[in-house]
Amino acid sequence: QVTLRESGPALLKPTQTLTLTCTLSGLSLSTGGLCVSWIRQSPGKALEWLARIDWDDDEYYSTTLKTRLTISKDTSKNQVFLTVTDMDPADSATYYCARTLLAGGTGYPFFDIWGQGTIVTVSS
Amino acid sequence: QPVLTQPSSHSASSGASVRLTCMLSSGFSVGDFWIRWYQQNPGNPPRYLLYYHTDFNKGQGSGVPSRFSGSNDASANAGILHISGLQPEDEADYYCGTWHSKSKSWVFGGGTKLTVL
Repeated sequence: QVTLRESGPALLKPTQTLTLTCTLSGLSLSTGGLCVSWIRQSPGKALEWLARIDWDDDEYYSTTLKTRLTISKDTSKNQVFLTVTDMDPADSATYYCARTLLAGGTGYPFFDIWGQGTIVTVSS
Repeated sequence: QPVLTQPSSHSASSGASVRLTCMLSSGFSVGDFWIRWYQQNPGNPPRYLLYYHTDFNKGQGSGVPSRFSGSNDASANAGILHISGLQPEDEADYYCGTWHSKSKSWVFGGGTKLTVL
């Protein structure tokens, strides 16, 4: 069974850096074609895609947030990380990681399995 | 990159059929995109439902009932999620999304809250 589990701090102060971990079970990050994305959702708001990392280490970022985001992975630990710098109360959200597959033919990504999410609150 | 606009809410009676829309912003044609749909119940992560590009290029998520289907409305420049035989458990938020290859970024719509009366 494939599962993803997010972990990280629940509370940060403004200007701090957030580091989140996504731990994968039932699948290996070294598998060709496997990608992982981070998506967040502020309370009562829509989903917002943040970043994606591929099995071959290609990285993709939200155009609006890319200066603050870094996605990385540790294949030996089957973990994907997301750092967000200069956190603000507006960054308070549930952060999800999701298995991202590349559709046959187009290679366009989509998210088929999601973690339960981790809630991050930014407050002074 | 495109902006995907969804009605904030929609309601329909149990047993009815609904059509949820996902309109692409000016300058982008729905026929150029593969629109994916997600369902989210309160307190849960989204669940992948399906995608639609053309009648010959579409697909259902694993375990998703056939009463969920997709289409495009070219005149409205919108992707459509059809749900037939509405059931109480279909009451949820529905999000559309797509990959924009030029900007290499994913875009979500604002979501539609579906209420089953």
